[in-house]
Amino acid sequence: AQKVTQAQTEISVVEKEDVTLDCVYETRDTTYYLFWYKQPPSGELVFLIRRNSFDEQNEISGRYSWNFQKSTSSFNFTITASQVVDSAVYFCALSEAPVDSTLTFGKGTMLLVSP
Amino acid sequence: GAVVSQHPSRVICKSGTSVKIECRSLDFQATTMFWYRQFPKQSLMLMATSNEGSKATYEQGVEKDKFLINHASLTLSTLTVTSAHPEDSSFYICSARGPIFGSGTQLSVL
Repeated sequence: AQKVTQAQTEISVVEKEDVTLDCVYETRDTTYYLFWYKQPPSGELVFLIRRNSFDEQNEISGRYSWNFQKSTSSFNFTITASQVVDSAVYFCALSEAPVDSTLTFGKGTMLLVSP
Repeated sequence: GAVVSQHPSRVICKSGTSVKIECRSLDFQATTMFWYRQFPKQSLMLMATSNEGSKATYEQGVEKDKFLINHASLTLSTLTVTSAHPEDSSFYICSARGPIFGSGTQLSVL
């Protein structure tokens, strides 16, 4: 069975601090996909990234970066120079395939960025 | 890009009434759609898989007679919460391939 663990329930930082959100996953599949979503207070899920199990390259997108390590089954997300607008709940998720697939979500990490 | 449109975004109803939530794929066909539920301050949990032209598949613990799913066309799946009760108050969100998520529906049952 698939499982996603986000051990950090809530993180509070001050603006401009860097913050890393942890994600550890479990799966027996050799082919799988990992995702990060942002959920602001309005509720919608904002897609941030999708990574397949064969691509361990780290990715950077502006202030966001992701570190995928299969050896430790982790897919951590770092926000550099955090901003108040980054305040939201962030979910890590796992699926066996990207198309017509279901996602297994972690419990989410609430990030509070104060001015 | 591909979009999944979900309506309504928010609904408040009295206990005992039924509520219908629509999830529509725009500019693409979705033979399969998924319905998730999220209770306050909790994660998203898969409720059911909606298949066009056939019966939905429900996850364990989800009452199929209470949460009626209809996927009558390649672009529309509906979730009807029948005889809603306060404990059904939750955030419901659908997705299609991609996965592409709708914007969600906040249901509040008084």
